[in-house]
Amino acid sequence: AQSVTQLGSHVSVSEGALVLLRCNYSSSVPPYLFWYVQYPNQGLQLLLKYTSAATLVKGINGFEAEFKKSETSFHLTKPSAHMSDAAEYFCAVRGANNLFFGTGTRLTVIP
Amino acid sequence: NAGVTQTPKFRVLKTGQSMTLLCAQDMNHEYMYWYRQDPGMGLRLIHYSVGEGTTAKGEVPDGYNVSRLKKQNFLLGLESAAPSQTSVYFCASRTGTSRSNEQFFGPGTRLTVL
Repeated sequence: AQSVTQLGSHVSVSEGALVLLRCNYSSSVPPYLFWYVQYPNQGLQLLLKYTSAATLVKGINGFEAEFKKSETSFHLTKPSAHMSDAAEYFCAVRGANNLFFGTGTRLTVIP
Repeated sequence: NAGVTQTPKFRVLKTGQSMTLLCAQDMNHEYMYWYRQDPGMGLRLIHYSVGEGTTAKGEVPDGYNVSRLKKQNFLLGLESAAPSQTSVYFCASRTGTSRSNEQFFGPGTRLTVL
């Protein structure tokens, strides 16, 4: 069975500070992992995905994530937070026919 | 391309009323999905379809029905709405050839059941 756990339902950072959103996965097969972003009153947009190629994955808007098999983690980072990064972020893992989503982390950026 | 569109954007129902949510995609995707999003619970899969004329249950199917009569459309029905179905509903689609299962999402429908 596949699942993901996102640690921290709310994260606050100052503008210009490092963003770190945590995701741990459980998968009985080699995982495909995703990060999606949801801006207020919008649908989900793909930030980046890991599909067993490079372990460091670069996405849109300066975000990246590193797949660490030994830690079963796929944490999302951005070196310098922007006000426009305020949103909810979802980690997901591939299932047989669908994706299994975490409960989400709401990122607040403080000016 | 419009991508994935959902109709309506907002709806208020009274308990016991019925309604249908429409999802349409213009990307020729084989797979389509209906999720509900509730605070603190992420997205939960209601039903999905792997092709025209086929549907399957997801994690939380009770109280909902779906139909996929045309490849580009996926309908979600509530026969007798309950307050517990107050939620934001998202439709998504993906190509059948994508090994990663990357899904493309619509903008959502906010449903309130009084």
